[in-house]
Amino acid sequence: AQKVTQAQTEISVVEKEDVTLDCVYETRDTTYYLFWYKQPPSGELVFLIRRNSFDEQNEISGRYSWNFQKSTSSFNFTITASQVVDSAVYFCALSELISSGSARQLTFGSGTQLTVLP
Amino acid sequence: DAGITQSPRHKVTETGTPVTLRCHQTENHRYMYWYRQDPGHGLRLIHYSYGVKDTDKGEVSDGYSVSRSKTEDFLLTLESATSSQTSVYFCAISEVGTNTEAFFGQGTRLTVV
Repeated sequence: AQKVTQAQTEISVVEKEDVTLDCVYETRDTTYYLFWYKQPPSGELVFLIRRNSFDEQNEISGRYSWNFQKSTSSFNFTITASQVVDSAVYFCALSELISSGSARQLTFGSGTQLTVLP
Repeated sequence: DAGITQSPRHKVTETGTPVTLRCHQTENHRYMYWYRQDPGHGLRLIHYSYGVKDTDKGEVSDGYSVSRSKTEDFLLTLESATSSQTSVYFCAISEVGTNTEAFFGQGTRLTVV
């Protein structure tokens, strides 16, 4: 079975600090997809990024960057110069092929609660 | 934003009563999913659908049933609600293809008393 581990349950930083959220995954699939979602206090789930297993290029989007390392099965997320509005729960997820067809389900980590203090 | 609407958004019900949650999409996506979110567990798949009248079980399907009679609607039914089904329920949709992200509805907070 596939598994996603987010070992950091809660992280608290002061505004403008950089913060890295860790994600480690396990899968037997040779082709898979990794995601990060943000859940702000309002409760909705916001898609942040998708990365496929054969593309290990790191990605930067504004203050957000992602470091995918297949050798260590990790897909870490860094927020540079954090802001109070970054306070949220962040979920890492792994896309798994459901055996009965072409549908894929997302296996989620348990989430990391990030609090950015002013 | 993807057109996904969940109803109701909040519900309180008594143990033993049936409850139906509705997910409606306007994107014409093939795949629809129901997840539940509980503290310490992230989101877990309950049931999913890969087409009209085509559904299958997920990781935590016991006590739940689903139906999809139209592309745009995916219903989740708790036949006899229990306190362990108190949770936040999310519907998600995704397009055909293996590398597309899932878009989520706003969630339904269900409390079983």
